[in-house]
This record gives sequence, C-alpha cells and structure tokens, in this order.
Amino acid sequence: QKEVEQNSGPLSVPEGAIASLNCTYSDRGSQSFFWYRQYSGKSPELIMFIYSNGDKEDGRFTAQLNKASQYVSLLIRDSQPSDSATYLCAVIGTGGFKTIFGAGTRLFVKA
Amino acid sequence: EPEVTQTPSHQVTQMGQEVILRCVPISNHLYFYWYRQILGQKVEFLVSFYNNEISEKSEIFDDQFSVERPDGSNFTLKIRSTKLEDSAMYFCASSERESNQPQHFGDGTRLSIL
Repeated sequence: QKEVEQNSGPLSVPEGAIASLNCTYSDRGSQSFFWYRQYSGKSPELIMFIYSNGDKEDGRFTAQLNKASQYVSLLIRDSQPSDSATYLCAVIGTGGFKTIFGAGTRLFVKA
Repeated sequence: EPEVTQTPSHQVTQMGQEVILRCVPISNHLYFYWYRQILGQKVEFLVSFYNNEISEKSEIFDDQFSVERPDGSNFTLKIRSTKLEDSAMYFCASSERESNQPQHFGDGTRLSIL
C-alpha cells in the first residue's frame, strides 16, 4: 500500500516566523510532488509542485525534495494569520495517474 | 483565471437512490479526476480519465461508480444505489497536458445520504 505520511499537527507559529511542513512517501518510483492548502470546508488549492531534487521557491513558499530520503517539505516564510489552514502533501506514484494525499498538517499562525 | 466548476454544491439523496455529480473541467485540460473526502479524513483518489476512458481507478471505485464525458465540456460521476457511507465531499479536478502535472480542483459537491 503506497502511503504519504504527514504530521497532523497542529503546528503553531507566531506571525512572521518560518513554518516548516514535512512529508514522507513510500513509493520510491514517485516522480511528482505537490503541496495543496485546504481551508476548512473548502477544496484543495495548489501551492507548489516539484519534480526534481533540491529546492524550488515561489514567493514566500519553498518546496524541498529529497528522493533518496523519500522526503518532501514546504517552508512558508513570513507566516501570516491567513496562512492558517491544513497543508496537504500529494504524490503521484509510479504509473503516473493516481495521486495519493497525506492526511494533512494543520498550521496555525498566531497574530 | 479559468476554473473547474462543479454542480450542485450540495446534494441530498435518500439511501439507495442514484446521484450524478457534474463537473466542467478547465477547457484546454485533457486529464480529469474525481476524489472524495469524508468529513475529517484525507482526500482519496477515485478515478482518472483521459482520452475518453478510465486511465486508473482506486479500490474505492467499484461497480457502484461510473464516469462519463457526455459532451465536450462535462465530466460526470454517477453513484448507483447510494449508501450512508457515500456521504462525503466529492471533488473534480483537471490537469493540462500530462498526467503528472498540477491538478486544479473544483469547489466540490457535498453529498449527504439520508
């Protein structure tokens, strides 16, 4: 059974701090990795995607991928109260069609 | 910005009845997906659809479920003989050219089975 694991949280950080969210996956053949943000009662909203080892930055967000360790992370710089949400790690595994989501990490940014 | 549109936003149905959930993917997207999220649980993949056929389905997507692209714009999920445990949010998503590209989600349909 292919799995995507996340710490459920809640992760609480003060406004302006860096939030670090982590995810591990079991399918070593996975090639595509995504971070979605989900507010309560809403649909997942794409934040970042990454395909290659290393870092990818977009504004306040940085995605990091380490395929050898089967680990992907999301850093949120200068965290804002509006960043408070559940962050979902999603992985497309071997075969290329099925996306497996982690259970999500709840982030709470304190003003 | 183009978006995925789902209707209805909320569907209430008696157990045993059939429901059809509708989606209009982003117009130039070629890959379509259905997911469900039971309240408080993770988003679960149901099915992917490309070139007018199912490309992959999960173990959840049994004979009770079917998908169809009846015309050039709509993508539907039919659930037959609904059960109480089918109550969930159902999300449609689409991606552009290749299956490993980011997927864009609709706002979802909340399905309540009574």
